[in-house]
Amino acid sequence: KQEVTQIPAALSVPEGENLVLNCSFTDSAIYNLQWFRQDPGKGLTSLLLIQSSQREQTSGRLNASLDKSSGRSTLYIAASQPGDSATYLCAVRMGSSGSARQLTFGSGTQLTVLP
Amino acid sequence: DAMVIQNPRYQVTQFGKPVTLSCSQTLNHNVMYWYQQKSSQAPKLLFHYYDKDFNNEADTPDNFQSRRPNTSFCFLDIRSPGLGDAAMYLCATSRQGQGIAKNIQYFGAGTRLSVL
Repeated sequence: KQEVTQIPAALSVPEGENLVLNCSFTDSAIYNLQWFRQDPGKGLTSLLLIQSSQREQTSGRLNASLDKSSGRSTLYIAASQPGDSATYLCAVRMGSSGSARQLTFGSGTQLTVLP
Repeated sequence: DAMVIQNPRYQVTQFGKPVTLSCSQTLNHNVMYWYQQKSSQAPKLLFHYYDKDFNNEADTPDNFQSRRPNTSFCFLDIRSPGLGDAAMYLCATSRQGQGIAKNIQYFGAGTRLSVL
């Protein structure tokens, strides 16, 4: 059974710092991996999706990398801003049909960027 | 404009009183999902519809049921809510099928359910 872990559970950084959030998964045979942002009491916003054949994806100040063989992904946030404060969740998908379509989520990293 | 819309945003019900949460989408996606998320925990998939095909997760309690009358709407019915069912309920959609590689899931803002 796939398990997704995100460490640390919470992180505080001063504004302007570059930071890395970590995600690890136990079964490396994933189909894709997705990073989400969740603001308090709100739904999830998709940030980046990496297919299993890709090594990284970039969007603005965000860069997500994937090392399938070691079961790891990182989300790099450059020049952090207070508006980046949120919980960041990663989720993996194992396949394209049946129960493999479902996403298995980590518990998230709660990021606080201090002004 | 919101593409996955959940109503209501906040729902209060009494212990044992049936409640229905709704989700609608303007994306014309063929797959719709319901997740339960408790405080500081990962979202947990309850079930999903692939077109009209209902897929229940093995550990979803019988207390939870779902209806999808058409492509745009999906409902979550909780027959007899208990205190442990208080949570955020998230609806998501995706387009899946042959030749569609990414299958990104788009989430609604969620409905926060309180059980008194």
